[in-house]
Amino acid sequence: NAGVTQTPKFQVLKTGQSMTLQCAQDMNHEYMSWYRQDPGMGLRLIHYSVGAGITDQGEVPNGYNVSRSTTEDFPLRLLSAAPSQTSVYFCASSSTENGYTFGSGTRLTVV
Amino acid sequence: AQSVTQLDSHVSVSEGTPVLLRCNYSSSYSPSLFWYVQHPNKGLQLLLKYTSAATLVKGINGFEAEFKKSETSFHLTKPSAHMSDAAEYFCVVSTGRRALTFGSGTRLQVQP
Repeated sequence: NAGVTQTPKFQVLKTGQSMTLQCAQDMNHEYMSWYRQDPGMGLRLIHYSVGAGITDQGEVPNGYNVSRSTTEDFPLRLLSAAPSQTSVYFCASSSTENGYTFGSGTRLTVV
Repeated sequence: AQSVTQLDSHVSVSEGTPVLLRCNYSSSYSPSLFWYVQHPNKGLQLLLKYTSAATLVKGINGFEAEFKKSETSFHLTKPSAHMSDAAEYFCVVSTGRRALTFGSGTRLQVQP
């Protein structure tokens, strides 16, 4: 089925480790974004991209990097994991016509 | 700048009674407004969206919302709650193709 695929679904990291959360969409959407969800705070925007080769910062970008080399993929990199990055991460893609589609999320724990 | 305020962090209703989840928004431009639902340990599902057409928007599972520009509100309602409606609900605003701004969420509890 068409949609947004996030991997992994669960991850435990040690403080200081780095990792990449993967996000792929097969709907040819221009726009992709990453959010983190923390209790009582809704979802907050980390980074977004309006097309291949174009990225920009959202509300909470510190400690995260992104790149968009293809329309389909938008990986999120944690450079040096910290306990404050323990969260659930959602990737979304959208087009003007079709609205927003979310992935199923990645639950990350940093110990 | 845009922002969303969900006025209740928790709402509890009895099964079969009406549901009202309140949302106020702030936006510099004509907004698109959404309601999403998230069941425990699940992803986000779109309930309904407003994009400057009819002000009363009907969504899935019997939910609807009314856009009131004068009150900057977009409250979510359902005439009769079902046990399966227990979840967290997010009011969301978007302008153009920029990212979404989420409210902090309302947890709906449905009592038997």
